[in-house]
Amino acid sequence: RKEVEQDPGPFNVPEGATVAFNCTYSNSASQSFFWYRQDCRKEPKLLMSVYSSGNEDGRFTAQLNRASQYISLLIRDSKLSDSATYLCVVHNTDKLIFGTGTRLQVFP
Amino acid sequence: DAGVTQSPTHLIKTRGQQVTLRCSPKSGHDTVSWYQQALGQGPQFIFQYYEEEERQRGNFPDRFSGHQFPNYSSELNVNALLLGDSALYLCASSPGTGGTQYFGPGTRLLVL
Repeated sequence: RKEVEQDPGPFNVPEGATVAFNCTYSNSASQSFFWYRQDCRKEPKLLMSVYSSGNEDGRFTAQLNRASQYISLLIRDSKLSDSATYLCVVHNTDKLIFGTGTRLQVFP
Repeated sequence: DAGVTQSPTHLIKTRGQQVTLRCSPKSGHDTVSWYQQALGQGPQFIFQYYEEEERQRGNFPDRFSGHQFPNYSSELNVNALLLGDSALYLCASSPGTGGTQYFGPGTRLLVL
């Protein structure tokens, strides 16, 4: 079983749609959690950290459920520029463990 | 403030050769981690350097080795290249071993 599991997608959504990505992790001792965004042939870039209390950054909302070992990302009012791969990341003993990523394609 | 830089951007090698990739961390960062990203996969942790020492290592063979210099920059060396080593190699730097990691643009290695 992979340490971090994500639905690879692709998710094809129209502009303005709301889309949700989910992720599960296997190590209950994991310390911190993130979503990174990766554009085609580019490096991953930190999108946001994820906290149990939930956190919001504009159109993006992230949530962590430690009991279920489940992480989510919600994108509201999707823009064409949101098209990318979204990587669920768990920080465990100072190394990052990545999911395979979920590809999002927003169309006009 | 320069971010993480890596060189070269692209590299083509043949099986059996050796390669050295370089990384300069973001200003103020003292820790460098290396990742391998195969096509269609998420990055996989190779190893991390702090205070010029390898602190921890992922599930990669001894053909993968590294070094960190006093100025915090780092090198990744891969010996006896295999076709399966073709990937994007990413360097990430952080302020300390547990700090948030920021990635460089990567080196795309193709082994023929």
